[in-house]
Amino acid sequence: KAGVTQTPRYLIKTRGQQVTLSCSPISGHRSVSWYQQTPGQGLQFLFEYFSETQRNKGNFPGRFSGRQFSNSRSEMNVSTLELGDSALYLCASSLGTGGDNEQFFGPGTRLTVL
Amino acid sequence: DQQVKQNSPSLSVQEGRISILNCDYTNSMFDYFLWYKKYPAEGPTFLISISSIKDKNEDGRFTVFLNKSAKHLSLHIVPSQPGDSAVYFCAASSSNFGNEKLTFGTGTRLTIIP
Repeated sequence: KAGVTQTPRYLIKTRGQQVTLSCSPISGHRSVSWYQQTPGQGLQFLFEYFSETQRNKGNFPGRFSGRQFSNSRSEMNVSTLELGDSALYLCASSLGTGGDNEQFFGPGTRLTVL
Repeated sequence: DQQVKQNSPSLSVQEGRISILNCDYTNSMFDYFLWYKKYPAEGPTFLISISSIKDKNEDGRFTVFLNKSAKHLSLHIVPSQPGDSAVYFCAASSSNFGNEKLTFGTGTRLTIIP
């Protein structure tokens, strides 16, 4: 069974631009969560989607948004990029919602903002 | 406010000895705890978990201990092997949060010295 895939793996953008990251969950998984990983903050929860609905949102500004499609694939969008948005963005999928559902992570998209 | 803390950013252990990774949390609502292991260029992978109704969970070389009164958990790896060299993240969640996803620590880089 294929794991969680994320595209692109690496991305370089400049301040003010916008970016869209994509995540394909494990087949059959309906929950997709997004995390931002930075050296100083560790992994921080961005948001979770389940059945095309945003179920939870972390403490990030409105520039960070996402959506989920009917096939459970998810996209994350960051508008008006700032230098501090440089990070590894990880997507995780699970069968259901709830913290005790085992999450499977993708390899991440490394975003560099210049 | 870091609700899950891993105060040691790095740890070096001789091969064959015991590795002990520590994690502290501040939110008494957390009732489920997990450890993830992360290799470079890969997403985190689930290692072991523990529910707050237990104080110990063992899986092969890995044992997680939970001390609720101290709001502290630890991961013991014995014996340590070179393949254990990775970044280890502690994570917590709460059934009271509904669909709230995991809160992660900042990670501890474990290096096993052959």
